[in-house]
Amino acid sequence: QAVLTQPASLSASPGASASLTCTLRSGINVGTYKIYWYQQKPGSPPQYLLSYKSDSDKQQGSGVPSRFSGSKDASANAGILLISGLQSEDEADYYCMIWLSSAYVFGGGTKLTVL
Amino acid sequence: EVQLVESGGGLVQAGGSLRLSCVASGFTFSSYEINWVRQAPGKGLEWLAYITSSGTTRYYADSVKGRFTISRDNAKNSLYLQMNSLRAEDTAVYFCARPTLGYWGQGTLVTVSS
Repeated sequence: QAVLTQPASLSASPGASASLTCTLRSGINVGTYKIYWYQQKPGSPPQYLLSYKSDSDKQQGSGVPSRFSGSKDASANAGILLISGLQSEDEADYYCMIWLSSAYVFGGGTKLTVL
Repeated sequence: EVQLVESGGGLVQAGGSLRLSCVASGFTFSSYEINWVRQAPGKGLEWLAYITSSGTTRYYADSVKGRFTISRDNAKNSLYLQMNSLRAEDTAVYFCARPTLGYWGQGTLVTVSS
């Protein structure tokens, strides 16, 4: 079982909201970790969006719109990236990441389609 | 402005070696840890290696442990990745990065032919 699991794809309509999940493997408590989120478009390196550990420990990337926000669902042991007011330019791959046991771990990524 | 510029990628035969470089600017390179991350064609991101600011501590992903070596030269603001015993599955774009601060280079492509 992968350390971080993301749905492979997600589709949503312009103007709607999209909730991208990053589920931590059983035994790894989401409450312990800061989760980082990245957006990547074809041919470009990942762009840092935000990090979220708690409401008192979160950072927004420089220039990242406030319609991108992070949270956690403790019952699902998952981190969440919420994108509100979807725009066509939000169509991209999204990755989550944590620092675990002296290594960075990435989720497999979610391809978000805005249609 | 923070810049990370990778170089050294190219085509190499399986079993061969390659050394990647990354030159940093726009921040005090010697004060920070830094990493190598790769992305195979059409695949996700894979962290490879981490080195502390002084270079005394290094961590590696299991997939490259024993084959790849991360190093740095703070006097030259440079990070390196020595890659030995290359395999077809090492074909990827290699990024130097400080992911927690959002600093990524543009990447350099390594192609390993079998």
